[in-house]
Amino acid sequence: GQNIDQPTEMTATEGAIVQINCTYQTSGFNGLFWYQQHAGEAPTFLSYNVLDGLEEKGRFSSFLSRSKGYSYLLLKELQMKDSASYLCAVLDSNYQLIWGAGTKLIIKP
Amino acid sequence: GAVVSQHPSRVICKSGTSVKIECRSLDFQATTMFWYRQFPKQSLMLMATSNEGSKATYEQGVEKDKFLINHASLTLSTLTVTSAHPEDSSFYICSAPVGQGVTEAFFGQGTRLTVV
Repeated sequence: GQNIDQPTEMTATEGAIVQINCTYQTSGFNGLFWYQQHAGEAPTFLSYNVLDGLEEKGRFSSFLSRSKGYSYLLLKELQMKDSASYLCAVLDSNYQLIWGAGTKLIIKP
Repeated sequence: GAVVSQHPSRVICKSGTSVKIECRSLDFQATTMFWYRQFPKQSLMLMATSNEGSKATYEQGVEKDKFLINHASLTLSTLTVTSAHPEDSSFYICSAPVGQGVTEAFFGQGTRLTVV
């Protein structure tokens, strides 16, 4: 079966750095997405990786290793507004998004 | 950029009634749209794939007669929850398809359905 694993919850301090990991086992791979979702709202797009390596976008970076079935989202200079759930999703061979359960990130002052 | 508009954002209905949720692509044509349901503290669960001009494809365990999907045009897909029950209370979200060459999934704002 298809499976995406990410930690259920993480806590970090304002101004610090946090890394959210995601491992996946899917039928085919056409890219990995990270989304941010605040409670009661729809997910918003953060990043897309289809090749190995690090993609940097401002305070957020995303890394992919296809051989290891592994990705991480790195958040720098954490702000209180970064408190949200972070969803990892993989596009499988049928171009269907397979979603992880999400990681709830709690930022403390 | 491309926008998907979903309406209503919140709805409260009585048990046994039906509720229609609309999902529109505002500046692009979507031959396919996805409908998701999300329960509190859980991830998105794909319910069905809406196909313009043909029948929707439902995921295993999703009742076709209860969750009616219509995709009559290239810019509009609707989800109707029929004979709603309290256990249908959830967050429903539509999205435009992600396909080859597309690097972002476009989501509607979501609909918070509460059945009382």
